[in-house]
Amino acid sequence: GAGVSQSPSNKVTEKGKDVELRCDPISGHTALYWYRQSLGQGLEFLIYFQGNSAPDKSGLPSDRFSAERTGGSVSTLTIQRTQQEDSAVYLCASSQDSNNSPLHFGNGTRLTVT
Amino acid sequence: GQSLEQPSEVTAVEGAIVQINCTYQTSGFYGLSWYQQHDGGAPTFLSYNALDGLEETGRFSSFLSRSDSYGYLLLQELQMKDSASYFCAVVGGYQKVTFGTGTKLQVIP
Repeated sequence: GAGVSQSPSNKVTEKGKDVELRCDPISGHTALYWYRQSLGQGLEFLIYFQGNSAPDKSGLPSDRFSAERTGGSVSTLTIQRTQQEDSAVYLCASSQDSNNSPLHFGNGTRLTVT
Repeated sequence: GQSLEQPSEVTAVEGAIVQINCTYQTSGFYGLSWYQQHDGGAPTFLSYNALDGLEETGRFSSFLSRSDSYGYLLLQELQMKDSASYFCAVVGGYQKVTFGTGTKLQVIP
């Protein structure tokens, strides 16, 4: 595709429900990143993938958060038993396999937990 | 781990020059990137420094000193559309990218 695609763009869910956020990276990009951004705040690192493997999962806030990537392409971020503090914009980015390759971001999923 | 520090807010006058500083502590370092984010938008890439010195791209320049764990973004001939948040980001081992807390730049007439 032309850019990184995230779905849904907005998600409102009740506390305690599970949600799945999807990221479709730019074709050919081997690295895929998930970040969380609260209103007016910085980008909090969650997890990233090189191909299908995740070298660093240290940013996941709790064991309610998990992510996977299949076929070196689409990734899903799952949040189980959502809490109100999970409300934020979840941003996905992808890049080519090089340290100087820029990250290309999707437009994010705005998650609201009521 | 990694930590990055930036000023939270900067205000500058249209047409002026502004410098946004970034200091970092990291266990692995390959380079320093800068990103711009307008309110409600996604971050977009501005520049990348792997070596010490100044990189210039139009009105924007970025500087890195690896020995001082320090970098800055320089914006010249400021325009109103430059009002946005600016993030430095460390590229570490295995291409892990960690962002700073961001600097909100307000350009005033």
